[in-house]
Amino acid sequence: IQLTQSPSSLSASVGDRVTITCRASQGISHYLAWYQQNPGKAPKLLIYAASTLHSGVPSRFSGSGSGTDFTLTISNLQPEDSATFYCHHVYNYPRTFGGGTKVEIK
Amino acid sequence: QVQLVESGGGVVQPGRSLRVTCVASGFTFRSYSFHWVRQAPGKGLEWVANISDDEKEYYEDSVKGRFIMSRDNSKNTLYLQMNSLRADDTAVYYCVRDGMVLGEMDYWGQGTLVTVSS
Repeated sequence: IQLTQSPSSLSASVGDRVTITCRASQGISHYLAWYQQNPGKAPKLLIYAASTLHSGVPSRFSGSGSGTDFTLTISNLQPEDSATFYCHHVYNYPRTFGGGTKVEIK
Repeated sequence: QVQLVESGGGVVQPGRSLRVTCVASGFTFRSYSFHWVRQAPGKGLEWVANISDDEKEYYEDSVKGRFIMSRDNSKNTLYLQMNSLRADDTAVYYCVRDGMVLGEMDYWGQGTLVTVSS
């Protein structure tokens, strides 16, 4: 299963609303997670089951979608959100990740 | 608190072997599945292998037959034995816990760098 993320990068201002999309090459129901990776750090889980916020993750992050099309939305973008975001399917093996979306703060 | 600590990375020549280790703490190790995920320098994330709580194993195609993932529940430790290493295996290798709700990777180690070079 291939995951295609778009855009590959974006630049936005503090307080903006940002949307990242992830398209699967076949239907994966709600078996999708999102991760944030800050520079030089290990990735962190943000969202699983397409829309469930992981414990401790700020509520400005939200996920939606099912089947083949998914979105990660960051409302009220903060400076600490400057990072690369990855989608990841957990539908079957082999697992795959999207190519990543790098978010830059203007 | 949940901790995953990898070790064993380093520089190794092409064709040689290396074993990386991950020691877990802060939770009931034997109840969880785990993954290895790698990231080549400047590149994205790549899932490598998984071992379930009942020791079923799954591998990404490019490492199948070369890498072996195992666990020792008595030591709260995971292993990734990497054989016939190639230059394109160069990456930071992350040990990751499977959250066991819907396959999410809920905790990550800090990673260990494996460099395959002559």
